[in-house]
Amino acid sequence: GENVEQHPSTLSVQEGDSAVIKCTYSDSASNYFPWYKQELGKRPQLIIDIRSNVGEKKDQRIAVTLNKTAKHFSLHITETQPEDSAVYFCAASMDYGQNFVFGPGTRLSVLP
Amino acid sequence: KAGVTQTPRYLIKTRGQQVTLSCSPISGHRSVSWYQQTPGQGLQFLFEYFSETQRNKGNFPGRFSGRQFSNSRSEMNVSTLELGDSALYLCASSQSGGAEKLFFGSGTQLSVL
Repeated sequence: GENVEQHPSTLSVQEGDSAVIKCTYSDSASNYFPWYKQELGKRPQLIIDIRSNVGEKKDQRIAVTLNKTAKHFSLHITETQPEDSAVYFCAASMDYGQNFVFGPGTRLSVLP
Repeated sequence: KAGVTQTPRYLIKTRGQQVTLSCSPISGHRSVSWYQQTPGQGLQFLFEYFSETQRNKGNFPGRFSGRQFSNSRSEMNVSTLELGDSALYLCASSQSGGAEKLFFGSGTQLSVL
């Protein structure tokens, strides 16, 4: 079955710096890759996603890149702010059914 | 629209007991999936229901079961509770299942003593 690895497990950056989180997946049939943000004590919320027919997607300060050949995808956050502090989960899925496999998460701390 | 609602918010049980968790999806959503969240294991997929049918199942023992009703509401049952079942159980709904955005509930925090 699918296996998703995520690095780093913790990340501290200064406010205004960029943050990058990387994930790798094992099943080449996976074609949908979302990123969820979970603030302390709150529910996970989708922040951005990418499908396998696209190499990059941006939404304001957030971007995701996908390398299908290497089977890895990355989340990029620019101009980080304290409210970006949270746990970020990557996931991989195929079209049919919902069997999302999540990475173990990255705890991002943005220091003022 | 109301969000995904999970009840109860907290549960305390003892080993050997059973527990039932409830999830009401967003109106119009037909797919409901369940996840177990623990500090060490992240989000682990339990199962997914669509139109009252279980379509996918994760690698959990048979003590974990679920069902979905005609109004798309779903329940998850855990029998013969073990200490290791202590976790936050999250349900998520989506319109049709598949590769699309999940809307998570706030979860049920289960503690097994």
